[in-house]
Amino acid sequence: NAGVTQTPKFQVLKTGQSMTLQCAQDMNHNSMYWYRQDPGMGLRLIYYSASEGTTDKGEVPNGYNVSRLNKREFSLRLESAAPSQTSVYFCASSSTGGTGELFFGEGSRLTVL
Amino acid sequence: QKEVEQNSGPLSVPEGAIASLNCTYSDRGSQSFFWYRQYSGKSPELIMFIYSNGDKEDGRFTAQLNKASQYVSLLIRDSQPSDSATYLCAVNTPRNFNKFYFGSGTKLNVKP
Repeated sequence: NAGVTQTPKFQVLKTGQSMTLQCAQDMNHNSMYWYRQDPGMGLRLIYYSASEGTTDKGEVPNGYNVSRLNKREFSLRLESAAPSQTSVYFCASSSTGGTGELFFGEGSRLTVL
Repeated sequence: QKEVEQNSGPLSVPEGAIASLNCTYSDRGSQSFFWYRQYSGKSPELIMFIYSNGDKEDGRFTAQLNKASQYVSLLIRDSQPSDSATYLCAVNTPRNFNKFYFGSGTKLNVKP
């Protein structure tokens, strides 16, 4: 059981380049999330998707776009990367109801030079 | 004001002692509260959740919730070096039930 899978795990970009972080879950969860984690800042929500076909902004959406491609997949795109977007990105999913537990991917470490 | 506040630590305790981690939240309507443990370089994993006022125990871990004071805590009894990690408090509210707000985390060091 893979759970939540993120790719790539590491990426180095130059300022202005674009890239997409991919996330897939095999737990049949309705909700999916993208967080970023910076030292001393905890996890900050970028975007979330409550269900297939819907997305909504979190705390820090500027500079990012998302696509909920289907129930399994939720991608995060940086159109023009900036050094301030250097961070560790986590994708997570949760089921509607239940405990509300978030299941996290292993993280993607992005460096923007 | 941040939604969830935690002391960043580090909190150092000797092996075998009780570690007490604290968290306050700003939205009085919050109803679901979670504690995640995150080892260095790893992703967070859920260790406790609590919905009702009072205590909830699971092995060496006890979560305590006081909604009147908007305060949630995590006690770790008989602390072990393997408990050394960052502990993240997370809160969920009905008005934004899909949004989980996290604190900045408390780093715990358990010294052998």
